[in-house]
Amino acid sequence: TQLLEQSPQFLSIQEGENLTVYCNSSSVFSSLQWYRQEPGEGPVLLVTVVTGGEVKKLKRLTFQFGDARKDSSLHITAAQPGDTGLYLCAGGSNQGGKLIFGQGTELSVKP
Amino acid sequence: NAGVTQTPKFQVLKTGQSMTLQCAQDMNHNSMYWYRQDPGMGLRLIYYSASEGTTDKGEVPNGYNVSRLNKREFSLRLESAAPSQTSVYFCASDRGETQYFGPGTRLLVL
Repeated sequence: TQLLEQSPQFLSIQEGENLTVYCNSSSVFSSLQWYRQEPGEGPVLLVTVVTGGEVKKLKRLTFQFGDARKDSSLHITAAQPGDTGLYLCAGGSNQGGKLIFGQGTELSVKP
Repeated sequence: NAGVTQTPKFQVLKTGQSMTLQCAQDMNHNSMYWYRQDPGMGLRLIYYSASEGTTDKGEVPNGYNVSRLNKREFSLRLESAAPSQTSVYFCASDRGETQYFGPGTRLLVL
């Protein structure tokens, strides 16, 4: 069974700080996705990484896929209150579009 | 273009009652999914449908049934609700590897 371990589970920081969220597995994934979910809504895709070692940037967010395609990280620079939410990583398998989700990281950025 | 819609938004059931959660997408996607989300456990796949007329079990299918009514609609049925099924249920459809989620149904089973 493929599992994704996400850490930390909770993160509370002040505006302007940097943070990193990790997503680790012993399994290889064909792709790794990061979603953001706000209260009362469904997850929304932020980025997909598919190549080992790939780095993608989305404004202040930097996403990296591990060389062996077993892990990923999300780094936020100078966090803002608008970044508050639940961040989920999800691994793609070779079984069609099925995804394996991590447990999520609840981020709170205080002004 | 509404994307993925789900009804109802909230529901309270008594143990043993049945209900059907409805999901529809207007993006002409082939694959559709049902997940449940519980605190600290991320999203767990209940059932999925790779195309109209096919359904398959996911990670946590016990106590649920599904119907892929047509390409647009994918329903989830609880035949005899249990308190352990209290959760938030999300429907999703996908294009390639991008999944698009509905707003969720919050279900409380007493």
